[in-house]
Amino acid sequence: DTGVSQNPRHKITKRGQNVTFRCDPISEHNRLYWYRQTLGQGPEFLTYFQNEAQLEKSRLLSDRFSAERPKGSFSTLEIQRTEQGDSAMYLCASSFRDGGEKLFFGSGTQLSVL
Amino acid sequence: QKEVEQNSGPLSVPEGAIASLNCTYSDRGSQSFFWYRQYSGKSPELIMSIYSNGDKEDGRFTAQLNKASQYVSLLIRDSQPSDSATYLCAALMDSSYKLIFGSGTRLLVRP
Repeated sequence: DTGVSQNPRHKITKRGQNVTFRCDPISEHNRLYWYRQTLGQGPEFLTYFQNEAQLEKSRLLSDRFSAERPKGSFSTLEIQRTEQGDSAMYLCASSFRDGGEKLFFGSGTQLSVL
Repeated sequence: QKEVEQNSGPLSVPEGAIASLNCTYSDRGSQSFFWYRQYSGKSPELIMSIYSNGDKEDGRFTAQLNKASQYVSLLIRDSQPSDSATYLCAALMDSSYKLIFGSGTRLLVRP
């Protein structure tokens, strides 16, 4: 068990650019979540996958955000035409189907949009 | 109204005291509740889960759930400076897969 891995750890980009983050969940976990967290706030739910199927997506997620989980393994989160308001820590978490939604978080990707 | 509400704190307690952290939730159908600890600059880590009314103890930690009052709490006995962190309450929404977090309570344990 190597834990949830996220890359990159930090990303600085200019407004209007596209960015992509990667998450590798714990190998036997079939559920994968993306959250966003800003300073002083709790993690905000973005989207959820069970295996390769995206089962839920936050209403707050604009169409500039897209997530994939091909073959039910790693996942990518892409943000198109980034805005300064997208600056946040993007957290990935995974859990096992019968694990009672006990989420294990990765270290996150800190995005700064200049 | 936020779905999961917590007092942001900081809650300051002396070393060795009991720290009491509270949380309320709005979805009456929520069945599962969690407490996560988050150190500054780190990601959240699960410390307790509770699914039934009453108390659940794990070492120095006790989680309490009262579904009638829609209230969850976490007690930390014999608080240590290493317990200083932000504590996040989370609830699993009814008929959903998403875990909703409160904004967290910052705990400071004074040596």
